[in-house]
Amino acid sequence: ETGVTQSPTHLIKTRGQQVTLRCSSQSGHNTVSWYQQALGQGPQFIFQYYREEENGRGNFPPRFSGLQFPNYSSELNVNALELDDSALYLCASSRGIEGWSGANVLTFGAGSRLTVL
Amino acid sequence: LAKTTQPISMDSYEGQEVNITCSHNNIATNDYITWYQQFPSQGPRFIIQGYKTKVTNEVASLFIPADRKSSTLSLPRVSLSDTAVYYCLVGGGGFKTIFGAGTRLFVKA
Repeated sequence: ETGVTQSPTHLIKTRGQQVTLRCSSQSGHNTVSWYQQALGQGPQFIFQYYREEENGRGNFPPRFSGLQFPNYSSELNVNALELDDSALYLCASSRGIEGWSGANVLTFGAGSRLTVL
Repeated sequence: LAKTTQPISMDSYEGQEVNITCSHNNIATNDYITWYQQFPSQGPRFIIQGYKTKVTNEVASLFIPADRKSSTLSLPRVSLSDTAVYYCLVGGGGFKTIFGAGTRLFVKA
């Protein structure tokens, strides 16, 4: 089975620009979650998508948005980039079951390293 | 959302057994306990998951007492390659999965 793949692996943007990060979920998984990880910190939950709809959101402003496609792949879009957006962005997929979140195991990609100058 | 508390860092030597304890006093009835390992510039990797008592797989054991307010990840005979950050999570995937700061394990030769 294929794992979670993310692209691009590294990118550099300037303040105010927009960025799109992409994620292909693991085969058989229907739920995608996005995390932001600053250097030396744990991953911070951004949002989750299940059946192409946002199914939970962390403490991130609206300029962080996402999409999930019928093949369960996903995009993370960040508008009006700020210097503090520099981080490793992690995508994780899981086999979500509606109404049950007790034991979903997340499979993570290697991440996209974003640097904002 | 159940919050977890772990030691910030731990040191060990090759060949020793390492036990990392996580506190989760507000764990809910439906919550599972899951541990992940993360190396620098990589995504976290699933290690082990349990609900109660003891779970063992090829890389680790997870001990959960009856009240489920804590759990202990046990790594037998660690090697240098086990140097990583270990996260204890309570809940499931998605919006109920909150990562803390994790425990940085340093394995010395």
